[in-house]
Amino acid sequence: DIQMTQSPSSLSASVGDRVTITCRASQSIGTYLNWYQQQPRKAPKVLIYAASSLESGVPSRFSGSGSGTDFTLTISSLQSEDLATYYCQQTYRTPYTFGQGTKLEIK
Amino acid sequence: QVQLQESGPGLVKPSETLSLTCTVSGGSISGYYWCWMRQPPGKGLEWIGHIYYNGKTDYNPSLKSRVTIAVDTSKNQFSLKVRSVTAADTAVYYCARGNPDRIDALDVWGQGTMVTVSS
Repeated sequence: DIQMTQSPSSLSASVGDRVTITCRASQSIGTYLNWYQQQPRKAPKVLIYAASSLESGVPSRFSGSGSGTDFTLTISSLQSEDLATYYCQQTYRTPYTFGQGTKLEIK
Repeated sequence: QVQLQESGPGLVKPSETLSLTCTVSGGSISGYYWCWMRQPPGKGLEWIGHIYYNGKTDYNPSLKSRVTIAVDTSKNQFSLKVRSVTAADTAVYYCARGNPDRIDALDVWGQGTMVTVSS
């Protein structure tokens, strides 16, 4: 299986801050990388697919980059509604594995 | 707008079979992957497997010996069975749509259903 490792596991930031979450794959996955947001007590929703493509309806403050083994999710200006856990997922090869999650708290 | 809704028992006894159904409304099953994930309380997401609309399946090797995913195109539903369950199978189970136009990203999710394994 392809292992996905996110860092940090948790972080706290203030409204308006720029936030970066990283995801590393155990082998090269090209750009077969997706990012999800899971708000408390809700189902996940896709933010970014194919490493850098913004899903329809997702605010433009979210962006993704990277290829190969190293990927980044950036929130350019943190909003209070961004309180959530963020997951990366590879869809290069089944089983389609997720990272362990990054819990984002608002200061 | 496509919506997914999971249904099934919330409590299953150890050694028995967990059975869930996901109903797809507002769109067709054709052309997509239909997926199951689970999330134990306080933990992360685990991909269980998926079925293409033509019936081709792919499972997580960690669960493959106990899991079956099936699709019923006439009812716009797909299902999950997990055999010989233990307490470790207690989780919120989600169904979702995998979109080949988005490298199989899961672009529509059900709300999730909590399943507890206990006698």
